[in-house]
Amino acid sequence: AQSVTQLGSHVSVSEGALVLLRCNYSSSVPPYLFWYVQYPNQGLQLLLKYTSAATLVKGINGFEAEFKKSETSFHLTKPSAHMSDAAEYFCAVRHNAGNMLTFGGGTRLMVKP
Amino acid sequence: GAGVSQTPSNKVTEKGKYVELRCDPISGHTALYWYRQSLGQGPEFLIYFQGTGAADDSGLPNDRFFAVRPEGSVSTLKIQRTERGDSAVYLCASSLNRGQRSDTQYFGPGTRLTVL
Repeated sequence: AQSVTQLGSHVSVSEGALVLLRCNYSSSVPPYLFWYVQYPNQGLQLLLKYTSAATLVKGINGFEAEFKKSETSFHLTKPSAHMSDAAEYFCAVRHNAGNMLTFGGGTRLMVKP
Repeated sequence: GAGVSQTPSNKVTEKGKYVELRCDPISGHTALYWYRQSLGQGPEFLIYFQGTGAADDSGLPNDRFFAVRPEGSVSTLKIQRTERGDSAVYLCASSLNRGQRSDTQYFGPGTRLTVL
């Protein structure tokens, strides 16, 4: 069965600093991986997705993620944090035998001025 | 274009009551999903529709939960004899479902259910 683990339920960075949110997956088949962002009182918005076409995936709002099979990781990064990036971020894996997503527990990103 | 919409945005009910939560997917999306998000956790899958039929309901916690999608568009999640543990945000998502695993699921804003 596929699963994802997000290390660090809370991450705090200063404005302008590098953002690194960690996601490790478990899958017996090549995974399809997604990062979603959730702003307060809003639904989830897709940031980017890995579909095996390229290991470095660029998403919206300057975010990108790199798929590393050897490390079973799909960490999310952004070179320079903005105050508007403060939100909850979820990593998810698409099931092979079904269409549902399995989500990690989420990481709350806080950006300090 | 219009995204996924969910009504009501908030629902407060008493223990033991019956509730219905509605989801209106993006026009043309044949796949529809319900997830439940408890406080401080990631969303958990409940049920998936392909067209009018429930293709996978393995995530429904018990027989108090039921969902329908009679015309292949709007879906209603129904919860009978609500319990305090049912309190959560119920999220709906839809996708084109062209048979590709890379298909993106688009989420609605959710319905926050509070059972007193």
